[in-house]
Amino acid sequence: GDSVTQTEGQVTVSESKSLIINCTYSATSIAYPNLFWYVRYPGEGLQLLLKVITAGQKGSSRGFEATYNKETTSFHLQKASVQESDSAVYYCALRGDTNAYKVIFGKGTHLHVLP
Amino acid sequence: ETAVFQTPNYHVTQVGNEVSFNCKQTLGHDTMYWYKQDSKKLLKIMFSYNNKQLIVNETVPRRFSPQSSDKAHLNLRIKSVEPEDSAVYLCASSYSNSDYTFGSGTRLLVI
Repeated sequence: GDSVTQTEGQVTVSESKSLIINCTYSATSIAYPNLFWYVRYPGEGLQLLLKVITAGQKGSSRGFEATYNKETTSFHLQKASVQESDSAVYYCALRGDTNAYKVIFGKGTHLHVLP
Repeated sequence: ETAVFQTPNYHVTQVGNEVSFNCKQTLGHDTMYWYKQDSKKLLKIMFSYNNKQLIVNETVPRRFSPQSSDKAHLNLRIKSVEPEDSAVYLCASSYSNSDYTFGSGTRLLVI
C-alpha cells in the first residue's frame, strides 16, 4: 500500500537558521500521488501548509517550500530562515488514486526553534 | 464561524464502556473523515463518508462504528472500549477530494 516516511522525532534549530525535514513516499496505487505538508501549531488543529499535485512542481507557503521529486520519490520541506513561531509538528502526506477519499500521513516531525 | 467542531475535547472511561464522539462541520463540505492518532503520533484513517455514504472503511475493530445523519455530521461510536483505544480521534471534512479541514480532536483515555 501507499506510505510516507519522514524525519522522525524532534528537530531543534536555532532561529534564523535553515531547516530541512525529509519526506519520502511510496505510492503503489498511482504513479503521481498528490503530496501535502500539514502542520499543527501548539494549541491549534491540524491544518494544510502546502500541497503539490504535479510532479516537478514546487509548493510554497509561509516561507516554506517543498518540491515534488518523482525520481527520488521525495517531498522534503525546507525553509531558509526559521522563526520561533514555526515551532510545531509537521506531517508529510499523500493521496493516491485508487481511493481518493483517503490521505496517508507520515508520523510527524516536531520542530523546536530556539530563540 | 465556519469550521469543524468536535465534542468532547477529552474523555476518560473504563474498559468495557460505550463512548460516542460527535463531529459537525459548518463548511458546506460533502465528505467527512475519522482519523485515529495513536501514542506514536501515527495518523490513520478509519472511515470516510461522502454525501452520507460510507466510502472508506479501513480495517478497524467491529466495536467502532461511524454514524452519519447528514452531510454535516459524522459521529463515532465505540462499543466496549479497550485500553488500546486510548488515542486522539480527529475528524475532518472536505469538498469531494479537495483539502481537508480538521477539528481539534477528541482525546480518549481508557482506564
